Amino acid sequence: GESVGLHLPTLSVQEGDNSIINCAYSNSASDYFIWYKQESGKGPQFIIDIRSNMDKRQGQRVTVLLNKTVKHLSLQIAATQPGDSAVYFCAVVNTGGFKTIFGAGTRLFVKA
Amino acid sequence: DAGITQSPRHKVTETGTPVTLRCHQTENHRYMYWYRQDPGHGLRLIHYSYGVKDTDKGEVSDGYSVSRSKTEDFLLTLESATSSQTSVYFCAISKEQNTEAFFGQGTRLTVV
Repeated sequence: GESVGLHLPTLSVQEGDNSIINCAYSNSASDYFIWYKQESGKGPQFIIDIRSNMDKRQGQRVTVLLNKTVKHLSLQIAATQPGDSAVYFCAVVNTGGFKTIFGAGTRLFVKA
Repeated sequence: DAGITQSPRHKVTETGTPVTLRCHQTENHRYMYWYRQDPGHGLRLIHYSYGVKDTDKGEVSDGYSVSRSKTEDFLLTLESATSSQTSVYFCAISKEQNTEAFFGQGTRLTVV
């Protein structure tokens, strides 16, 4: 069946460093990808998205990279801050938008 | 948060009792979703709605039913609660199917 996986369940970085969170997916028909951030006790919050006709998209301090050849995407956070501490999920949507599959999440710890 | 309210926020119930969770939105979005979140599983779709009185099953729909009598309200009912339904439940909304979603704060349900 389809799967969405993250390479690391936890990631610890020093404040001010860049963070990279990875996600792999199995279905080559996937054409839309979303990153969410979930803080403790809250619901997931949209960060950034990318469609399959792009390989990079930038937001404020965040960049998403998509490599369709190896079915991999990553979220890069520049100058990581304590407020970035959260669980990050990738979500993968298949062609036609009929199904969204969420990864299990990576917990990011930011050390002061 | 994007105008989504879940109630109750916490509930403890006994095995075999019916439970109804409510999701209310003020965004007038067409699509509404119920997810459950369990450790190691990410978010899994229970049911979703694509309009008033229009609903469909997700990947973990057994033991759950939903209703949407108004655009703004989406109810999730556990017909006879079991301990395996102990989880955190999130409601989400989106303008279009399986695009950027806005999530509620979640309902923590414990079945004893």
